[in-house]
Amino acid sequence: QVQLQESGPGLVRPSETLSLTCTVSGDSITTDYYWGWIRQAPGKGLEWIGTVYHSGTAYYSPSLKSRVTISVDTSKNQFSLKLNSVTAADTAVYYCARRRYAGPFDPWGQGTLVTVSS
Amino acid sequence: ETVLTQSPGTLSLSPGERVTLSCRASQSVSGDYLAWFQQKPGQAPRLLIFGASNRATGIPDRFSGSGSGTDFTLTISRLEPEDFAVYHCHQYGRSPWTFGQGTKVEIK
Repeated sequence: QVQLQESGPGLVRPSETLSLTCTVSGDSITTDYYWGWIRQAPGKGLEWIGTVYHSGTAYYSPSLKSRVTISVDTSKNQFSLKLNSVTAADTAVYYCARRRYAGPFDPWGQGTLVTVSS
Repeated sequence: ETVLTQSPGTLSLSPGERVTLSCRASQSVSGDYLAWFQQKPGQAPRLLIFGASNRATGIPDRFSGSGSGTDFTLTISRLEPEDFAVYHCHQYGRSPWTFGQGTKVEIK
């Protein structure tokens, strides 16, 4: 059974870059799935950030596209998120998740809280 | 972008009651690619329903989904104590993938 686990700093300073990694276990990241990042600000709904295929092709939310990079490392069975020029509005729980083509995100990692503060 | 509006924002109910949650899309959801998730405090969302009406693996049959086009419904036939949570709808038919703002089902 596939499992996903987010890791990375819990505190990032304003204007800096948020970097998170999702480690996939129980399945190869090179199988025919897409790997994505979703976030949830405190008291808010879920927001899709972006998705990557094992080939490295990535798709981003138009609202975040200018600040986001999602990449994949097949040798480590991981994919990563970089969000630059962060502000307090980027404070959220960040989730990684898997989705098949024409399918919903499932399963999800447990999530990691990232706070943007000086 | 397809905006999903869930109603109501909060429902206060008792165990054993029937629940109906609504999710309305700003445009037709392509392929009826609409999912429902359950989220409990401190936990990741759990997939309940995909394709508007298909239960995910291991989901009890008291959960059912219906609807098409722009109007979708999640029904819980009889609330169990473990069902008190936040429910999110999610469309994955047209990028950017979007989510509703959630409906909280709380104990009355």
